[in-house]
Amino acid sequence: DAKTTQPPSMDCAEGRAANLPCNHSTISGNEYVYWYRQIHSQGPQYIIHGLKNNETNEMASLIITEDRKSSTLILPHATLRDTAVYYCIVSKGYQKVTFGIGTKLQVIP
Amino acid sequence: EPEVTQTPSHQVTQMGQEVILRCVPISNHLYFYWYRQILGQKVEFLVSFYNNEISEKSEIFDDQFSVERPDGSNFTLKIRSTKLEDSAMYFCASKPRQGPNYGYTFGSGTRLTVV
Repeated sequence: DAKTTQPPSMDCAEGRAANLPCNHSTISGNEYVYWYRQIHSQGPQYIIHGLKNNETNEMASLIITEDRKSSTLILPHATLRDTAVYYCIVSKGYQKVTFGIGTKLQVIP
Repeated sequence: EPEVTQTPSHQVTQMGQEVILRCVPISNHLYFYWYRQILGQKVEFLVSFYNNEISEKSEIFDDQFSVERPDGSNFTLKIRSTKLEDSAMYFCASKPRQGPNYGYTFGSGTRLTVV
């Protein structure tokens, strides 16, 4: 079973920030937090990952709480093309990843 | 940006037939994976592969499945005798050797339909 908990669905107005939460209370010290998204039935797309510091790239920002038990993915200006299922995953090294059901984000015009 | 390439994009096969799904991982990646997603369900791990051998496999990956890296570029998944329940999207993924904590790069998938 997935080691993370996410809300099953969220809506966000186009142009607004989308904040997607994730709980990972059983994360171990050397596990990273990864975010992927899947648009329709396409292959999952890597977005961002982090260990304990906040991270930002051209796609998104990742905020990890100090106790590392939860995190938030932020899409700063959501567009219609950001409509997708977003997966929060904890993993380390080359081990397999376990996908949950993710959060279905609907960006509304 | 480097891509993982999968062929074919869609394969229709009769039950009991053998199928081979092909993947070309990113050239400097050395860790390879297959995942599948039955319509409407979660993405499921099948197998991981490194240094020409299986590193880990799931319960789904039974004797009907095999993987191979026949040359320096291709990575294949073979299903020997397909069943109706093998109908799914199959995704190949890879990771670079020098970055164990990098994210996976997934291919766009092969839709396998068993009739």
